[in-house]
Amino acid sequence: NAGVMQNPRHLVRRRGQEARLRCSPMKGHSHVYWYRQLPEEGLKFMVYLQKENIIDESGMPKERFSAEFPKEGPSILRIQQVVRGDSAAYFCASSQTDRGRTSYGYTFGSGTRLTVV
Amino acid sequence: GESVGLHLPTLSVQEGDNSIINCAYSNSASDYFIWYKQESGKGPQFIIDIRSNMDKRQGQRVTVLLNKTVKHLSLQIAATQPGDSAVYFCAENINGQNFVFGPGTRLSVLP
Repeated sequence: NAGVMQNPRHLVRRRGQEARLRCSPMKGHSHVYWYRQLPEEGLKFMVYLQKENIIDESGMPKERFSAEFPKEGPSILRIQQVVRGDSAAYFCASSQTDRGRTSYGYTFGSGTRLTVV
Repeated sequence: GESVGLHLPTLSVQEGDNSIINCAYSNSASDYFIWYKQESGKGPQFIIDIRSNMDKRQGQRVTVLLNKTVKHLSLQIAATQPGDSAVYFCAENINGQNFVFGPGTRLSVLP
């Protein structure tokens, strides 16, 4: 029973390129969340999605960042024209219920570590 | 030598001792709390949760205490083992909103 799968584990991009981060939630989970973590810091909420819908994107930067969770396939976090400040670990989590309140919170993936050079 | 994080408080304990990790949460309306453990290079893992109608909850070797008066949460780990070395985060939730994570505490278990 695979958990939350994220790929790639490590991603290196030059400034100005695009980064695409993928997340497949746990089987049976239809709620997906993306968090960003800077080194030695906590996790900052970015966006919450259900299939084909963005529920809450209050933590997403207004420009260059977008997320989707299509009917088929993984959730994608897309960062256009990356800058050095985008370097961070990006974690995806999923839950069985809305915001994980009745299902032991979120199950996290192992993250994608983005390095912008 | 090891590079110590500038932002992360660190708790060092002797193997076999008990550990207490503290968390001050931000919103008095938060009614559900979770402690997560994050090992190096991995995602956070659920440890234990507690709802605001409780003061204490026990798991295997772990206990969470909730003091709503002062908005304080603690995680107690009994007989700390080397495998407990990790960063520990508390997360708070208000009904209908997303979990908000605290800054984290690094637990270092000394042999």
